[in-house]
Amino acid sequence: SAVISQKPSRDICQRGTSLTIQCQVDSQVTMMFWYRQQPGQSLTLIATANQGSEATYESGFVIDKFPISRPNLTFSTLTVSNMSPEDSSIYLCSAGTGNGELFFGEGSRLTVL
Amino acid sequence: TQLLEQSPQFLSIQEGENLTVYCNSSSVFSSLQWYRQEPGEGPVLLVTVVTGGEVKKLKRLTFQFGDARKDSSLHITAAQPGDTGLYLCAANTGGFKTIFGAGTRLFVKA
Repeated sequence: SAVISQKPSRDICQRGTSLTIQCQVDSQVTMMFWYRQQPGQSLTLIATANQGSEATYESGFVIDKFPISRPNLTFSTLTVSNMSPEDSSIYLCSAGTGNGELFFGEGSRLTVL
Repeated sequence: TQLLEQSPQFLSIQEGENLTVYCNSSSVFSSLQWYRQEPGEGPVLLVTVVTGGEVKKLKRLTFQFGDARKDSSLHITAAQPGDTGLYLCAANTGGFKTIFGAGTRLFVKA
């Protein structure tokens, strides 16, 4: 298993600004992912964070809007850029070893005014 | 596009009742996971099923993987208020990506 810490846990931001969410894993993991969970809904994969290279984005998500870094095996960041109220959501960092099982942080609840 | 269809989407029952949640797909998966998520927290892994026809039990929770590895069910016996939460099925699509079903929001009334 892995323990995942995310920060901030919540934030209220103004339209047009950007916010960076940090994710720290307590052990080296093969895979790190970023998901979005809109109120009352399930999880949608934003991207796979690749160590030392550009993230792999899912359809509907682009690097300019959601730049991701992963400088090592235990740390990743997700930036939500030029925010609008539609970006209000919970953003979840997850980690896995490639067998399909994922461990999640508590999430970062973002509200954009 | 591989999809996981989960039903029901919402379930409100009395303490002591039994319930079953279903997760269906037209795709075959090598494994399928069930998670539970409580408000303000991330999903927590409950179980992974791998073999067609496999049945796993976790206290009052029984998980089954269909013979063709396209569907799964979660059965809760004698539900308790502590079972309240969002139950999510998930499957690995290859390339290490995991997709999630829409979720079943369970509310157990005391």
